[in-house]
Amino acid sequence: EIVMTQSPATLSVSPGERATLSCRASQSVNSNLAWYQKKPGQAPRLLIYGASTRATGIPARFSGSGSGTEFTLTISSLQCEDFAVYYCQQYNSWPPYSFGQGTKLEIK
Amino acid sequence: EVQLVESGGDLVQPGGSLRLSCAASGFKFSSYAMSWVRQAPGKGLEWVSSISVGGGSTYYADSVKGRFTISRDNSKNTLYLQMDSLRAEDTALYYCAKERNWYADYWGQGTLVTVSS
Repeated sequence: EIVMTQSPATLSVSPGERATLSCRASQSVNSNLAWYQKKPGQAPRLLIYGASTRATGIPARFSGSGSGTEFTLTISSLQCEDFAVYYCQQYNSWPPYSFGQGTKLEIK
Repeated sequence: EVQLVESGGDLVQPGGSLRLSCAASGFKFSSYAMSWVRQAPGKGLEWVSSISVGGGSTYYADSVKGRFTISRDNSKNTLYLQMDSLRAEDTALYYCAKERNWYADYWGQGTLVTVSS
């Protein structure tokens, strides 16, 4: 089973600044990685798939990079609506599909 | 517009059973694999189960294997999760998700399952 590890667990950033979230896989997942945004009381929202492709309707300030075992989600200029929990998920080797434990992005 | 609406969540005693449903609309249901993902209170997302387009292939997390059964009715555009021998640790918000090339591109709002005596 592939284990996904996200860091940091909590990230405090001011609106307008850049946020960088990391995700590491215990073995290579190639580029088969997705990022999701989760807000309280809302359904998860797909942001990025294929490690770097933005999903439909996702603003350009969200970008993904990486391959193999190291991945990054960058939010270039944080808006108030971006404060949420972010999860990475690998879909290269399954079952199981494995999620990271999440990074909570909070307002500084 | 893609819509996924879960139902069937409830309070159930340990050892009990529950059947969740997910009504899909806005896309050709029979052309996409589907999944269930859960989130326990204060915890992260956990994949539970997936099913192929025709229902012939099913996959389960080790934590639910042998207790949960995923199925679908393509004539009714509905996904199901039969949950038996429920445990306290199954308490969670259960999400239905549409798969696209093995990642989930749309999710429902979830239905709450509480296992407690």
